[in-house]
Amino acid sequence: KAGVTQTPRYLIKTRGQQVTLSCSPISGHRSVSWYQQTPGQGLQFLFEYFSETQRNKGNFPGRFSGRQFSNSRSEMNVSTLELGDSALYLCASSSGTSVYEQYFGPGTRLTVT
Amino acid sequence: AQSVTQLGSHVSVSEGALVLLRCNYSSSVPPYLFWYVQYPNQGLQLLLKYTSAATLVKGINGFEAEFKKSETSFHLTKPSAHMSDAAEYFCAVSERTGGGNKLTFGTGTQLKVEL
Repeated sequence: KAGVTQTPRYLIKTRGQQVTLSCSPISGHRSVSWYQQTPGQGLQFLFEYFSETQRNKGNFPGRFSGRQFSNSRSEMNVSTLELGDSALYLCASSSGTSVYEQYFGPGTRLTVT
Repeated sequence: AQSVTQLGSHVSVSEGALVLLRCNYSSSVPPYLFWYVQYPNQGLQLLLKYTSAATLVKGINGFEAEFKKSETSFHLTKPSAHMSDAAEYFCAVSERTGGGNKLTFGTGTQLKVEL
C-alpha cells in the first residue's frame, strides 16, 4: 500500500499571503488529521476530518482551516500568514474507527518570510 | 485532558548499549499509548502501540515498551543501540474527543548513538 503523501514538500511564502497544503491518505483510510510541528511548541494537533466532516479541532486561530473531499484527500489552508506559522505541517491518516494508530506523511515545510 | 511527559530531551548512548527513553502519562481513563520516531526531514514513523491487550509491547527495529499502570509509565527500550537508531523519539497518548481521536505528544527525546 502506498503511504501518506503530502504536497508540496517545501513552500516559501510572504507574510500576509495564504497557502494551501494537500494530503492524500492511505487507501481505505477515512480519517485525516493535521499537526503543526515547531521547535518551540512541538507537535500540536490542528484538526481531524472523517468522511468530509471536521470532528475535532485544536486550539488554533480561525486562519487555519481545512476540508476533506469524498475520496478522503484533505487540504488545509492558512490565510494571512504570519512569521510564526513557519513550521512543518504533518498529515496523518487512519481508519477512523475506534482507537487507531495514525500514519504520518513526510510533511510540508512552510517558511514564511 | 491527557498528557505525556518525556524525561530527558537528549539521550546519548554507545553503540551496542541499552537504549532507555522515558515516558510518563497522565490520563483519567485507560490510555492508548504510542511511540513514534522521526528521522531528519521526515515525518513520524510508528514504532509501537499499547491498546491494553498486553503490557509488554514489541515494535519494529527491535524496540519494545512496557506499560506500567502503577507508575503511569510507558518507557521505550532496545537492548543494543545501533547507529541507525539516532533520531528523535516521541511518546503520544490518544485522546478520544468529539467522536474522534487526537494524539497528544510529548516534547520528544533526541537519541544520539556514539561509536
